[in-house]
Amino acid sequence: KAGVTQTPRYLIKTRGQQVTLSCSPISGHRSVSWYQQTPGQGLQFLFEYFSETQRNKGNFPGRFSGRQFSNSRSEMNVSTLELGDSALYLCASSLEGRWVTYEQYFGPGTRLTVT
Amino acid sequence: AQSVTQLDSHVSVSEGTPVLLRCNYSSSYSPSLFWYVQHPNKGLQLLLKYTSAATLVKGINGFEAEFKKSETSFHLTKPSAHMSDAAEYFCVVSDQRNTPLVFGKGTRLSVIA
Repeated sequence: KAGVTQTPRYLIKTRGQQVTLSCSPISGHRSVSWYQQTPGQGLQFLFEYFSETQRNKGNFPGRFSGRQFSNSRSEMNVSTLELGDSALYLCASSLEGRWVTYEQYFGPGTRLTVT
Repeated sequence: AQSVTQLDSHVSVSEGTPVLLRCNYSSSYSPSLFWYVQHPNKGLQLLLKYTSAATLVKGINGFEAEFKKSETSFHLTKPSAHMSDAAEYFCVVSDQRNTPLVFGKGTRLSVIA
């Protein structure tokens, strides 16, 4: 099975611009989560989508948004970029367990640099 | 509420010596626990998971972890470190289905030749 793929892998944007990142989960996985990773804050949870609905949301401003399509692919958008948004953005997918929490499988990430 | 504490931010070992990365968790329920590894500029890779079966869990690349409920610990070990083990390791807990995973702050493992 193909793993989680993320596009683009690298991105350079200017303050004030907006950006859209894409994630394709492993086939059959319906849950997609997004994380922001920075040296100072570590791994922080952004949001999770399941069956095209946002199921969980982290503590990020409204400039960060996402969506999930019927084929489980997901996008996240950051509007009005700030220098502090420079980070590695990771996407992860997992199966949906009736009784247990399944492990998440991570993509390689998108490295966003805001100048 | 669930939480996880990785007791060491950095561990340095010599090649061929044992590795011990410590993790303590807090959970109101029977937790699921995971260890992930991240090599520089890469995504996270699952090393192993505990989901209430055997308390000693074997993972990939010779790593294993033991779930100790009385100590609320899930330490990661490997008998003999290899240079390729140098990376960042994350301990992760989930105590309820469909809630976000909670990540520790990570332990950077350095392996000295």
